[in-house]
Amino acid sequence: AQTVTQSQPEMSVQEAETVTLSCTYDTSENNYYLFWYKQPPSRQMILVIRQEAYKQQNATENRFSVNFQKAAKSFSLKISDSQLGDTAMYFCAFRSTSGTYKYIFGTGTRLKVLA
Amino acid sequence: DVKVTQSSRYLVKRTGEKVFLECVQDMDHENMFWYRQDPGLGLRLIYFSYDVKMKEKGDIPEGYSVSREKKERFSLILESASTNQTSMYLCASSPTAGTGPVGYTFGSGTRLTVV
Repeated sequence: AQTVTQSQPEMSVQEAETVTLSCTYDTSENNYYLFWYKQPPSRQMILVIRQEAYKQQNATENRFSVNFQKAAKSFSLKISDSQLGDTAMYFCAFRSTSGTYKYIFGTGTRLKVLA
Repeated sequence: DVKVTQSSRYLVKRTGEKVFLECVQDMDHENMFWYRQDPGLGLRLIYFSYDVKMKEKGDIPEGYSVSREKKERFSLILESASTNQTSMYLCASSPTAGTGPVGYTFGSGTRLTVV
């Protein structure tokens, strides 16, 4: 069975600095999708960034980028130029490309951006 | 703007009551999901549905049932509410496979307290 592990329950970063959130996963599949979701204090979960396992190039969305290491089964999220609005819970998620469309989520990292 | 709407943001129910949590999406998505979110445990899948009248158990289905009579609506039912079902409940939807790594669209969540 697939698992997703986020080993940092809480992190903080100064405004304008860079922070990296860690995520590791376990799967025997060769192709799959990985995601980072953000849940601000208002609670609506939104998609931040996604990565297809068969693509070597790391995904980037504005200030958000990932470091995808397939052999190490690692999928970290880097937030550059942190802003106060980045304060949120961040969840890493895995989805198989076959079978059902359910996601497996990590336990989350609470990020606080300090002014 | 596409939406997943959960009928209640906060709900307080008594032990033993039958509780209905409603979720409606307007994106014509085939797949719908119910998760519960607890601190330190992340998101855990309760049930999901990939078509009208179809349902599958997730990781923690005990004490819950679901109903999907129409494509846009997915209801979560707590047959006899218990205090250990106090939690945040999140509904999500997604289109079916073949559309690449499309993420979930989440509702705003329902904070259920069972007293």
